[in-house]
Amino acid sequence: GAVVSQHPSWVICKSGTSVKIECRSLDFQATTMFWYRQFPKQSLMLMATSNEGSKATYEQGVEKDKFLINHASLTLSTLTVTSAHPEDSSFYICSAKTPARDQRWSDNQPQHFGDGTRLSIL
Amino acid sequence: AQSVAQPEDQVNVAEGNPLTVKCTYSVSGNPYLFWYVQYPNRGLQFLLKYITGDNLVKGSYGFEAEFNKSQTSFHLKKPSALVSDSALYFCAVRASLGMVTGGGNKLTFGTGTQLKVEL
Repeated sequence: GAVVSQHPSWVICKSGTSVKIECRSLDFQATTMFWYRQFPKQSLMLMATSNEGSKATYEQGVEKDKFLINHASLTLSTLTVTSAHPEDSSFYICSAKTPARDQRWSDNQPQHFGDGTRLSIL
Repeated sequence: AQSVAQPEDQVNVAEGNPLTVKCTYSVSGNPYLFWYVQYPNRGLQFLLKYITGDNLVKGSYGFEAEFNKSQTSFHLKKPSALVSDSALYFCAVRASLGMVTGGGNKLTFGTGTQLKVEL
């Protein structure tokens, strides 16, 4: 259980184009999803927290106009990299937290990750 | 702010030998601690977590971790390593519910430890 699907797994595109990455929770509903960016041989950097039905919460230093996040349903969040440039090339990973039966324990639920999207901007 | 330190960039172990991947943390209040494993070009897979209770936590694939509050550590262990265990391992921490710190209740990851198990 607790499967998170991320699509596409890799994408190569020209500088200036926009790229949309989808993150789906396949067998559970996720009110909260997370978007991370990972540089080679480095840890995951949280970019934003995506909340179903409301605006995403962005981390300091992350441009919300560049990285558009939409969480339109309980099973889908999308990240759109607008006007992508070579410096946006990275490995992007989404995750979703499985819901707790009691909301008081929601924080101790593990996050389940998608397989990531390798984005290469030429 | 909360933080995680994984002091070893790489750990090399012979197959069949025990392995330890070290993790220390800093957080206000009681920690929630997690271990994840990442294979090349894949997302992270959850291995185990410590929330409360027994200090020794057992997880997937024969891994276990020991929570040591006095040393603020949560080292990952396995009695007998397999070549297939070779991967990148991440330790992560979150402050427990109600303890909103400078990092909020977000999950903070360490920099990762590359485990290499050789025949």
